[in-house]
Amino acid sequence: NAGVTQTPKFQVLKTGQSMTLQCAQDMNHNSMYWYRQDPGMGLRLIYYSASEGTTDKGEVPNGYNVSRLNKREFSLRLESAAPSQTSVYFCASSRGTGGASNYGYTFGSGTRLTVV
Amino acid sequence: SQKIEQNSEALNIQEGKTATLTCNYTNYSPAYLQWYRQDPGRGPVFLLLIRENEKEKRKERLKVTFDTTLKQSLFHITASQPADSATYLCALDTGNTPLVFGKGTRLSVIA
Repeated sequence: NAGVTQTPKFQVLKTGQSMTLQCAQDMNHNSMYWYRQDPGMGLRLIYYSASEGTTDKGEVPNGYNVSRLNKREFSLRLESAAPSQTSVYFCASSRGTGGASNYGYTFGSGTRLTVV
Repeated sequence: SQKIEQNSEALNIQEGKTATLTCNYTNYSPAYLQWYRQDPGRGPVFLLLIRENEKEKRKERLKVTFDTTLKQSLFHITASQPADSATYLCALDTGNTPLVFGKGTRLSVIA
């Protein structure tokens, strides 16, 4: 009963380094999302994938890229990390993008990223 | 501009009392409104969804109301317990776009 699995759980990067955050879900959900959570800012959408083969920008996409590798997996890439990207990153999935179901979004446990 | 606000950053109440959290929004027309619970160091967990044509929804000790005229949802926890201490997030749901989350209210239930 894994739900949404994110790796890694913690990461420290130097400015300018790149990395990919991995996310996988085992609930056969169609839609997947990447949010970042900062103190005082709440959860903000970076990118989402409404269905396999599609991706769209969210509120704060600059500095990030995504890949919907297959129905299960949705990765987030930081090409050149900046201190402003220090945050907690959450991946989530759902059956549909909006309230098509009463089950809401299922979130992973997060990746705590620090860029120094 | 579009805005979603949760009434306060933090709320402290005595065990056994009813906690009431508020979510207000402007310049949105949500078809649904969702509530989540988030514990420290964890991802949000879905609690309840209420549709725009529903006035009230209940689940065990939780009750949610949704007033599209006032553009407000109220989230109540009755007979609150220390284990209810967490951050509670509201999220606007248009039905076909990703959720937009409020910043959350941190609830502390004091024994």
